[in-house]
Amino acid sequence: GEDVEQSLFLSVREGDSSVINCTYTDSSSTYLYWYKQEPGAGLQLLTYIFSNMDMKQDQRLTVLLNKKDKHLSLRIADTQTGDSAIYFCAEKGTNAGKSTFGDGTTLTVKP
Amino acid sequence: DVKVTQSSRYLVKRTGEKVFLECVQDMDHENMFWYRQDPGLGLRLIYFSYDVKMKEKGDIPEGYSVSREKKERFSLILESASTNQTSMYLCASSRDTANYGYTFGSGTRLTVV
Repeated sequence: GEDVEQSLFLSVREGDSSVINCTYTDSSSTYLYWYKQEPGAGLQLLTYIFSNMDMKQDQRLTVLLNKKDKHLSLRIADTQTGDSAIYFCAEKGTNAGKSTFGDGTTLTVKP
Repeated sequence: DVKVTQSSRYLVKRTGEKVFLECVQDMDHENMFWYRQDPGLGLRLIYFSYDVKMKEKGDIPEGYSVSREKKERFSLILESASTNQTSMYLCASSRDTANYGYTFGSGTRLTVV
Protein backbone atom coordinates (compact mmCIF):
# COMPACT_ATOMS: atom_id res chain seq x y z
CA GLY A 1 0.00 0.00 0.00
CA GLU A 2 0.94 3.65 -0.04
CA ASP A 3 3.41 4.80 2.56
CA VAL A 4 5.01 8.13 3.42
CA GLU A 5 8.02 8.38 5.73
CA GLN A 6 9.68 11.32 7.44
CA SER A 7 12.27 11.75 10.13
CA LEU A 8 10.64 12.63 13.43
CA PHE A 9 12.70 15.55 14.71
CA LEU A 10 14.78 18.45 13.42
CA SER A 11 16.42 21.21 15.45
CA VAL A 12 17.95 24.35 13.94
CA ARG A 13 19.16 27.77 15.06
CA GLU A 14 17.15 30.88 14.26
CA GLY A 15 18.29 32.35 10.93
CA ASP A 16 19.57 29.04 9.57
CA SER A 17 17.87 27.08 6.79
CA SER A 18 15.78 24.03 7.66
CA VAL A 19 15.41 21.06 5.36
CA ILE A 20 12.69 18.52 6.07
CA ASN A 21 12.78 15.32 4.04
CA CYS A 22 10.13 12.83 3.02
CA THR A 23 10.02 9.63 0.99
CA TYR A 24 6.95 8.04 -0.52
CA THR A 25 6.21 4.75 -2.21
CA ASP A 26 3.37 5.41 -4.64
CA SER A 27 5.00 6.19 -7.99
CA SER A 28 1.62 7.24 -9.41
CA SER A 29 1.25 10.13 -6.94
CA THR A 30 0.12 13.19 -8.86
CA TYR A 31 0.29 15.79 -6.10
CA LEU A 32 2.47 16.03 -3.02
CA TYR A 33 1.83 18.35 -0.11
CA TRP A 34 3.39 19.95 2.91
CA TYR A 35 1.22 20.84 5.89
CA LYS A 36 2.14 22.70 9.10
CA GLN A 37 0.59 22.03 12.50
CA GLU A 38 1.15 24.48 15.33
CA PRO A 39 0.62 23.31 18.94
CA GLY A 40 -3.02 22.53 19.73
CA ALA A 41 -4.21 23.37 16.24
CA GLY A 42 -5.28 21.58 13.07
CA LEU A 43 -3.10 21.16 10.00
CA GLN A 44 -2.65 24.02 7.57
CA LEU A 45 -1.71 23.44 3.94
CA LEU A 46 1.61 25.21 3.30
CA THR A 47 2.29 24.30 -0.29
CA TYR A 48 1.90 21.56 -2.87
CA ILE A 49 3.74 20.41 -5.96
CA PHE A 50 2.48 18.63 -9.04
CA SER A 51 4.42 15.53 -10.01
CA ASN A 52 5.65 16.95 -13.33
CA MET A 53 7.55 19.70 -11.49
CA ASP A 54 11.01 19.45 -9.93
CA MET A 55 10.87 22.56 -7.80
CA LYS A 56 8.44 25.10 -6.46
CA GLN A 57 9.35 28.27 -4.59
CA ASP A 58 7.03 30.37 -2.47
CA GLN A 59 8.70 33.15 -0.48
CA ARG A 60 10.86 31.42 2.16
CA LEU A 61 9.68 27.94 1.17
CA THR A 62 11.30 25.78 -1.50
CA VAL A 63 9.93 22.36 -2.39
CA LEU A 64 12.14 19.92 -4.27
CA LEU A 65 10.78 16.76 -5.85
CA ASN A 66 12.93 13.88 -7.06
CA LYS A 67 10.39 11.64 -8.72
CA LYS A 68 12.92 8.95 -9.63
CA ASP A 69 13.90 8.48 -5.97
CA LYS A 70 10.37 9.30 -4.69
CA HIS A 71 11.90 11.95 -2.44
CA LEU A 72 10.34 15.27 -1.44
CA SER A 73 11.93 18.00 0.62
CA LEU A 74 10.84 21.29 2.15
CA ARG A 75 13.45 23.98 2.69
CA ILE A 76 12.62 26.92 4.94
CA ALA A 77 15.04 29.81 4.50
CA ASP A 78 15.90 32.13 7.41
CA THR A 79 14.03 29.94 9.90
CA GLN A 80 12.24 31.85 12.65
CA THR A 81 10.96 30.76 16.07
CA GLY A 82 7.44 31.03 14.65
CA ASP A 83 8.32 28.20 12.26
CA SER A 84 8.51 25.78 15.19
CA ALA A 85 5.76 23.26 14.47
CA ILE A 86 5.10 19.77 13.16
CA TYR A 87 5.43 19.46 9.37
CA PHE A 88 3.56 16.73 7.54
CA CYS A 89 4.33 15.40 4.11
CA ALA A 90 1.38 13.89 2.21
CA GLU A 91 0.69 12.41 -1.18
CA LYS A 92 -2.42 12.16 -3.28
CA GLY A 93 -2.37 8.60 -4.49
CA THR A 94 -4.50 6.49 -6.75
CA ASN A 95 -7.59 6.56 -4.52
CA ALA A 96 -9.00 9.86 -5.75
CA GLY A 97 -9.56 12.29 -2.93
CA LYS A 98 -7.74 10.31 -0.26
CA SER A 99 -4.25 11.40 0.81
CA THR A 100 -1.63 9.43 2.73
CA PHE A 101 0.20 11.37 5.44
CA GLY A 102 3.60 10.89 6.98
CA ASP A 103 3.94 10.86 10.77
CA GLY A 104 5.22 14.42 10.85
CA THR A 105 8.58 16.07 11.57
CA THR A 106 8.78 18.23 14.69
CA LEU A 107 10.87 21.30 13.89
CA THR A 108 12.37 23.12 16.87
CA VAL A 109 13.95 26.51 16.24
CA LYS A 110 16.39 27.68 18.92
CA PRO A 111 17.11 31.38 19.41
CA ASP B 1 -12.35 33.16 4.88
CA VAL B 2 -13.16 29.56 4.06
CA LYS B 3 -13.50 27.32 7.01
CA VAL B 4 -13.91 23.91 8.58
CA THR B 5 -15.50 24.27 11.98
CA GLN B 6 -15.46 21.62 14.66
CA SER B 7 -18.15 22.16 17.24
CA SER B 8 -16.06 21.63 20.37
CA ARG B 9 -12.44 22.39 21.15
CA TYR B 10 -12.34 20.24 24.28
CA LEU B 11 -14.69 17.50 25.45
CA VAL B 12 -14.69 15.29 28.54
CA LYS B 13 -16.99 12.28 28.45
CA ARG B 14 -17.55 9.23 30.60
CA THR B 15 -16.86 5.67 29.57
CA GLY B 16 -19.91 4.15 27.88
CA GLU B 17 -21.43 7.46 26.78
CA LYS B 18 -22.50 8.05 23.18
CA VAL B 19 -20.44 10.93 21.83
CA PHE B 20 -21.10 13.12 18.80
CA LEU B 21 -18.35 15.17 17.18
CA GLU B 22 -19.65 17.64 14.62
CA CYS B 23 -17.85 19.16 11.66
CA VAL B 24 -19.19 21.79 9.26
CA GLN B 25 -17.51 23.23 6.16
CA ASP B 26 -18.59 26.27 4.16
CA MET B 27 -16.63 25.58 0.96
CA ASP B 28 -19.14 23.32 -0.81
CA HIS B 29 -16.53 20.56 -0.71
CA GLU B 30 -17.53 17.08 -1.80
CA ASN B 31 -15.09 15.13 0.39
CA MET B 32 -14.97 15.09 4.16
CA PHE B 33 -12.68 13.12 6.49
CA TRP B 34 -12.27 12.24 10.15
CA TYR B 35 -8.80 11.53 11.55
CA ARG B 36 -7.49 10.90 15.00
CA GLN B 37 -4.04 12.03 16.02
CA ASP B 38 -2.04 10.39 18.81
CA PRO B 39 1.58 11.00 19.83
CA GLY B 40 3.90 8.70 17.93
CA LEU B 41 1.11 7.37 15.68
CA GLY B 42 0.63 10.29 13.30
CA LEU B 43 -2.74 10.83 11.62
CA ARG B 44 -4.99 7.81 11.27
CA LEU B 45 -8.04 7.90 9.03
CA ILE B 46 -11.25 6.78 10.71
CA TYR B 47 -13.91 7.39 8.04
CA PHE B 48 -14.39 9.51 4.97
CA SER B 49 -17.24 10.53 2.72
CA TYR B 50 -17.32 11.46 -0.97
CA ASP B 51 -20.92 12.58 -1.05
CA VAL B 52 -24.07 13.04 0.96
CA LYS B 53 -25.24 9.82 2.64
CA MET B 54 -22.09 8.09 1.46
CA LYS B 55 -19.32 6.81 3.75
CA GLU B 56 -16.26 4.63 3.52
CA LYS B 57 -14.17 3.06 6.24
CA GLY B 58 -10.69 4.30 6.78
CA ASP B 59 -7.87 2.51 8.57
CA ILE B 60 -9.36 2.40 12.08
CA PRO B 61 -13.18 2.45 11.92
CA GLU B 62 -13.81 0.10 14.85
CA GLY B 63 -15.82 1.74 17.61
CA TYR B 64 -16.88 4.65 15.38
CA SER B 65 -19.66 5.48 12.97
CA VAL B 66 -20.39 8.56 10.85
CA SER B 67 -23.31 10.43 9.39
CA ARG B 68 -23.49 12.76 6.42
CA GLU B 69 -27.06 13.90 5.88
CA LYS B 70 -26.08 17.26 4.36
CA LYS B 71 -23.15 18.15 2.16
CA GLU B 72 -21.67 20.62 4.62
CA ARG B 73 -21.88 18.47 7.76
CA PHE B 74 -20.00 15.30 8.71
CA SER B 75 -20.55 13.83 12.15
CA LEU B 76 -18.37 11.29 13.95
CA ILE B 77 -20.14 9.10 16.49
CA LEU B 78 -18.54 7.11 19.27
CA GLU B 79 -21.25 4.57 20.04
CA SER B 80 -19.91 3.70 23.50
CA ALA B 81 -16.88 5.78 24.43
CA SER B 82 -13.87 4.01 25.88
CA THR B 83 -10.68 5.36 27.44
CA ASN B 84 -8.62 4.25 24.41
CA GLN B 85 -10.60 6.72 22.33
CA THR B 86 -9.06 9.61 24.23
CA SER B 87 -7.38 11.53 21.42
CA MET B 88 -7.26 14.61 19.22
CA TYR B 89 -9.88 14.34 16.47
CA LEU B 90 -9.38 16.27 13.25
CA CYS B 91 -11.96 16.89 10.56
CA ALA B 92 -10.94 17.85 7.01
CA SER B 93 -12.61 18.57 3.70
CA SER B 94 -11.53 18.81 0.07
CA ARG B 95 -12.80 19.17 -3.48
CA ASP B 96 -13.73 15.91 -5.16
CA THR B 97 -10.36 15.49 -6.87
CA ALA B 98 -8.53 16.82 -3.80
CA ASN B 99 -5.76 18.12 -6.06
CA TYR B 100 -5.21 21.18 -3.93
CA GLY B 101 -5.07 19.43 -0.59
CA TYR B 102 -7.29 19.39 2.46
CA THR B 103 -8.65 22.11 4.70
CA PHE B 104 -8.57 21.05 8.33
CA GLY B 105 -10.57 22.11 11.33
CA SER B 106 -8.88 23.16 14.58
CA GLY B 107 -9.46 19.79 16.20
CA THR B 108 -11.41 18.43 19.15
CA ARG B 109 -9.45 17.10 22.08
CA LEU B 110 -11.59 14.35 23.58
CA THR B 111 -10.88 12.86 26.98
CA VAL B 112 -12.82 9.77 28.05
CA VAL B 113 -12.73 9.12 31.79
